[in-house]
Amino acid sequence: AQSVTQLDSQVPVFEEAPVELRCNYSSSVSVYLFWYVQYPNQGLQLLLKYLSGSTLVKGINGFEAEFNKSQTSFHLRKPSVHISDTAEYFCAVRDDSNYQLIWGAGTKLIIKP
Amino acid sequence: EAGVVQSPRYKIIEKKQPVAFWCNPISGHNTLYWYRQNLGQGPELLIRYENEEAVDDSQLPKDRFSAERLKGVDSTLKIQPAELGDSAVYLCASSTRGEGTGELFFGEGSRLTVL
Repeated sequence: AQSVTQLDSQVPVFEEAPVELRCNYSSSVSVYLFWYVQYPNQGLQLLLKYLSGSTLVKGINGFEAEFNKSQTSFHLRKPSVHISDTAEYFCAVRDDSNYQLIWGAGTKLIIKP
Repeated sequence: EAGVVQSPRYKIIEKKQPVAFWCNPISGHNTLYWYRQNLGQGPELLIRYENEEAVDDSQLPKDRFSAERLKGVDSTLKIQPAELGDSAVYLCASSTRGEGTGELFFGEGSRLTVL
């Protein structure tokens, strides 16, 4: 069965600094990868997704992620964070056997002023 | 366009009591999901509906959990009786294209505390 690992439960970063949130997945034949964001007291919303094609995927709010097949990673990046980016970020992969999403445990992004 | 609506947002009950959560998906979305999210973890799928049919309920604890989606629109998730370990956020999501594409739209969730 596929799995997703988000190594960092929390990432503190200063405002306007760059950030990278790490995500690794177990290898599979085909890979559909996603990042979702959950702002405080709100539901999850899709940030970006990789289905095929270019390995660099751009999402909303200035975020981007790079699919790296050899390292089985899909790290999320932003060159300059803002206080409004404070949220929990979830990485997910589609399970080929049943097309369900397998979720990581989430990473809380903490922006320091 | 209205998003996925869930109620109640918060519920506190004593163990062994029943509880129900309601979800109204985005209009036109045929697929509806119920997830449970424990503290510090990602969402865990409980049940998936295609219209009014439950097509995947393999992870629903059927001894105490039940769900229905009458008329293929809104849905109710029930727990009876609730246990301490049921404390979690219950998320509802809907989509038009199936979970495989990842384009799920989530409600704000219902936070359950069992005392």
